[in-house]
Amino acid sequence: DTGVSQDPRHKITKRGQNVTFRCDPISEHNRLYWYRQTLGQGPEFLTYFQNEAQLEKSRLLSDRFSAERPKGSFSTLEIQRTEQGDSAMYLCASSSARERTRDRSFFGTDTQYFGPGTRLTVL
Amino acid sequence: EDQVTQSPEALRLQEGESSSLNCSYTVSGLRGLFWYRQDPGKGPEFLFTLYSAGEEKEKERLKATLTKKESFLHITAPKPEDSATYLCAVQAGNNRKLIWGLGTSLAVNP
Repeated sequence: DTGVSQDPRHKITKRGQNVTFRCDPISEHNRLYWYRQTLGQGPEFLTYFQNEAQLEKSRLLSDRFSAERPKGSFSTLEIQRTEQGDSAMYLCASSSARERTRDRSFFGTDTQYFGPGTRLTVL
Repeated sequence: EDQVTQSPEALRLQEGESSSLNCSYTVSGLRGLFWYRQDPGKGPEFLFTLYSAGEEKEKERLKATLTKKESFLHITAPKPEDSATYLCAVQAGNNRKLIWGLGTSLAVNP
């Protein structure tokens, strides 16, 4: 299967603990996105990588959240000192689009393919 | 402000009863409109990308269309396995972030 994979699929933790999620994108995709989704809502953007560079981070993302993509392949999302409000589905998506180096504008449209998600429950 | 609105919020159909879902958008410089299907507890599954007004795409019982202000997802003769939440999202300008609607929850009764 060459789709986006995420691990773990479910995580239950106690308030104050740290958690880390992993995402493996589609192998030829250079972009990787993290989203958070709560019941009845669309996905909420958290952060985005182009290869190994983290290019954008949501203002909604507190300092307790950090993401890495060290070799431009898989990515990790860490949440420190979890709070009950962090309970949600964490989604990873990947895409492939070409950028103009001059101004980073991009060609075409950036179709994003999602993984199965990691369901986080903070008790 | 860029915005995406989906209607209805929920739709219940009998098997074989065709209908349409609506996605209205207000954005500057539409780059693409996306339809996804999401089953409970799973990530969104990509269905279609539409790039410009007048474009249509089909997949099995689904057909997506696009105008300058809205998109429709037509479901022809739905089956119970089509039950899911259908999400619409747009990408505009040079912004890589998707702007999402809240989805339409579709239930198809046998």
